[in-house]
Amino acid sequence: GENVEQHPSTLSVQEGDSAVIKCTYSDSASNYFPWYKQELGKRPQLIIDIRSNVGEKKDQRIAVTLNKTAKHFSLHITETQPEDSAVYFCAARTRTTNFGNEKLTFGTGTRLTIIP
Amino acid sequence: EAGVTQSPTHLIKTRGQQATLRCSPISGHTSVYWYQQALGLGLQFLLWYDEGEERNRGNFPPRFSGRQFPNYSSELNVNALELEDSALYLCASRERGGINYGYTFGSGTRLTVV
Repeated sequence: GENVEQHPSTLSVQEGDSAVIKCTYSDSASNYFPWYKQELGKRPQLIIDIRSNVGEKKDQRIAVTLNKTAKHFSLHITETQPEDSAVYFCAARTRTTNFGNEKLTFGTGTRLTIIP
Repeated sequence: EAGVTQSPTHLIKTRGQQATLRCSPISGHTSVYWYQQALGLGLQFLLWYDEGEERNRGNFPPRFSGRQFPNYSSELNVNALELEDSALYLCASRERGGINYGYTFGSGTRLTVV
């Protein structure tokens, strides 16, 4: 089955600096890669996603890049703020047998701490 | 638009008992996914229901089961509870076949087995 690896597991960044989280996936047929942010005690929330026909996508301070050849994708947060502190999960949409590409497989998460 | 709702918020059970967790998807969403998030760990895929049928299950024992009702709400049952079943159980929904691939998660049910 699909395997998604995420690094680093913890990341501390000075406020205002940039943060980068990287993920690799194993299934070359994966075609959708979302990123979720989970604040303490809250639900995971989709913050940005990218499809396999696009190499980069940006939304204000957040950007995601995808390298299909190397099977890795990254989340970039610029000008970090204290409210960016949370656990971030990457995911890849996995092909399932007989019923299309439906399952999201998640990475193990990165705990991002923004130091004021 | 109401989001994905889960009940109960917290559940405390004794080892060996059964737990039932409930999920109501966003209106119009036919696919419901269940994930287990153990403390400090990532999201492990449990089950996927669509149009009333179980479509896929993760690497969990058969005592984890569930169903989806005609109104697309879903129930997760965990039988013969073990201490390691203590976790946050998250439900997510999606409009299958829609252009939006993303899942919307509920706030979860925190199950504690004592």
